[in-house]
Amino acid sequence: DGGITQSPKYLFRKEGQNVTLSCEQNLNHDAMYWYRQDPGQGLRLIYYSQIVNDFQKGDIAEGYSVSREKKESFPLTVTSAQKNPTAFYLCASSKVGQGNIQHFGDGTRLSIL
Amino acid sequence: QKEVEQNSGPLSVPEGAIASLNCTYSDRGSQSFFWYRQYSGKSPELIMSIYSNGDKEDGRFTAQLNKASQYVSLLIRDSQPSDSATYLCAVTGGYQKVTFGTGTKLQVIP
Repeated sequence: DGGITQSPKYLFRKEGQNVTLSCEQNLNHDAMYWYRQDPGQGLRLIYYSQIVNDFQKGDIAEGYSVSREKKESFPLTVTSAQKNPTAFYLCASSKVGQGNIQHFGDGTRLSIL
Repeated sequence: QKEVEQNSGPLSVPEGAIASLNCTYSDRGSQSFFWYRQYSGKSPELIMSIYSNGDKEDGRFTAQLNKASQYVSLLIRDSQPSDSATYLCAVTGGYQKVTFGTGTKLQVIP
């Protein structure tokens, strides 16, 4: 079955530690996105990529980094510079040019130890 | 001004009634409009997409778009308790960037 796989489902970060969230898709979509969702809030865009080896900052990119070395993969690193990382992180993908209908993974919950 | 605005709710409707969810957006160049449903603790799932002015119906759901008023709405007919969720409005603007509203929580009361 085609879809988006995010791992791990739950992640704990120690102070000063960088952690990487995985996102893999087999939908052959060109565009991929990372969102952050805080309790009772909507989705805020962290980074997005429309093509391999290229990505753009979203609205809240500070403290995060991404790479897009393969079409299928778009990992997100939460760096120690992100002082309030506790949130629900959602990865999505879409075909470019179809209105960007977002297909979401199941998400990763990140908490601080 | 937020780019995409929704009333956070909760919006409470009795079972079998029509639920009306509203969304306004600020970018006049926006081209694509979506409604997603998100159950608590889960990821969003697409309910409706609409690209041109007017109404679009799919089963119990109707999306309405008015670009002149920068307004998009979602009607849910014959509301069911299983419709209780948060509904997110999303808009695609320049550079293919998708912006989500904060969502409206819907409660359908049996």
